[in-house]
Amino acid sequence: DTGVSQNPRHKITKRGQNVTFRCDPISEHNRLYWYRQTLGQGPEFLTYFQNEAQLEKSRLLSDRFSAERPKGSFSTLEIQRTEQGDSAMYLCATTPGQPYEQYFGPGTRLTVT
Amino acid sequence: GQQLNQSPQSMFIQEGEDVSMNCTSSSIFNTWLWYKQDPGEGPVLLIALYKAGELTSNGRLTAQFGITRKDSFLNISASIPSDVGIYFCAGQIIQGAQKLVFGQGTRLTINP
Repeated sequence: DTGVSQNPRHKITKRGQNVTFRCDPISEHNRLYWYRQTLGQGPEFLTYFQNEAQLEKSRLLSDRFSAERPKGSFSTLEIQRTEQGDSAMYLCATTPGQPYEQYFGPGTRLTVT
Repeated sequence: GQQLNQSPQSMFIQEGEDVSMNCTSSSIFNTWLWYKQDPGEGPVLLIALYKAGELTSNGRLTAQFGITRKDSFLNISASIPSDVGIYFCAGQIIQGAQKLVFGQGTRLTINP
């Protein structure tokens, strides 16, 4: 399968714990995005990488959130001191840059209890 | 944040019927994309539109990029059970991050 992959698919954690999600992009896609989707809503942009550089962050990305993309390949999204409001689906999308279509992974469903 | 207005929010139709949904914005976009999302999965790209007035088909799906660049519609002809799901429109500006701005989705339910 050469699509975008995300792990884990589901994560249940207790409030206050740290969690980390991973995204593996489509090979040679140099742009990688993280989005968050809450129930009944469309995805909302969190942050964006071009190769290993994080070039834009949304105001939704509080200081408890950090994302990395070492070597411009896979990316990780870490949430520290999780809160119940962090419960959502976290989606990763990648694109070669041109054409501009973004291809999404299956997402990681986070539940904070 | 910036939002697209997508309508209708939900549709209940009979198998075989045609479906139409649309998306409007107060802002201009360079690209419109339509995605379908099944429960517990990520959005799957259906159609991408790049030019104002463009009409593009993908099988039974047809989408158009509005002339004003502030709207788009998606039609599904002769619906089948596997069309069930949530359909999202997304607008994109081709500069900077090129991030997608999504509508709230249209939930399609089909009665066999």
